[in-house]
Amino acid sequence: SQQGEEDPQALSIQEGENATMNCSYKTSINNLQWYRQNSGRGLVHLILIRSNEREKHSGRLRVTLDTSKKSSSLLITASRAADTASYFCATDGGSNNAGNMLTFGGGTRLMVKP
Amino acid sequence: NAGVTQTPKFQVLKTGQSMTLQCAQDMNHEYMSWYRQDPGMGLRLIHYSVGAGITDQGEVPNGYNVSRSTTEDFPLRLLSAAPSQTSVYFCASSYSYSELTYEQYFGPGTRLTVT
Repeated sequence: SQQGEEDPQALSIQEGENATMNCSYKTSINNLQWYRQNSGRGLVHLILIRSNEREKHSGRLRVTLDTSKKSSSLLITASRAADTASYFCATDGGSNNAGNMLTFGGGTRLMVKP
Repeated sequence: NAGVTQTPKFQVLKTGQSMTLQCAQDMNHEYMSWYRQDPGMGLRLIHYSVGAGITDQGEVPNGYNVSRSTTEDFPLRLLSAAPSQTSVYFCASSYSYSELTYEQYFGPGTRLTVT
């Protein structure tokens, strides 16, 4: 079963608007990562937030983490048509993790209309 | 650096055939993994390796074998292909830059169809 669950499953916005995607998970984690996948391509790492961090920024990306609610959000500000892609959250297994074992959610498909 | 490379990009197999999906990385990463992605879904871990000579099962290992004879290569073998193995397969590698944090680098994927 998937550890992370993204919400919404699909999101359509106009260029220039902000896009917010949410991820919920079930077990304790060491870190949570967000990845992007363009259609027909591999996943690309966007940002990693550790369990002792609450917020992290990278360019137009802002990630928050609430370990008490076991949830994270990814905000893309001032969206562009090129941001159209699927976005996945991925969590490790906490203290039992072998290091590279990530569990992925089902993803949010974002469409940014020009 | 080429990063993570996968071959072939596309493959069609008949039920019962066997084949090997190739994966190589030139970043000297210790960790390598194989995932499968079914339509509209996230990735599920098949097998992973924490170093040469060491492999372990992930979430969905049945029907697949792996080996890790070198740091660079991590091939995935389908023993007897079944239609349920129709999927896109991604190989990934990762390193540790601080305790228990691992960013993964993905290959472009192999699209496999089993008829």
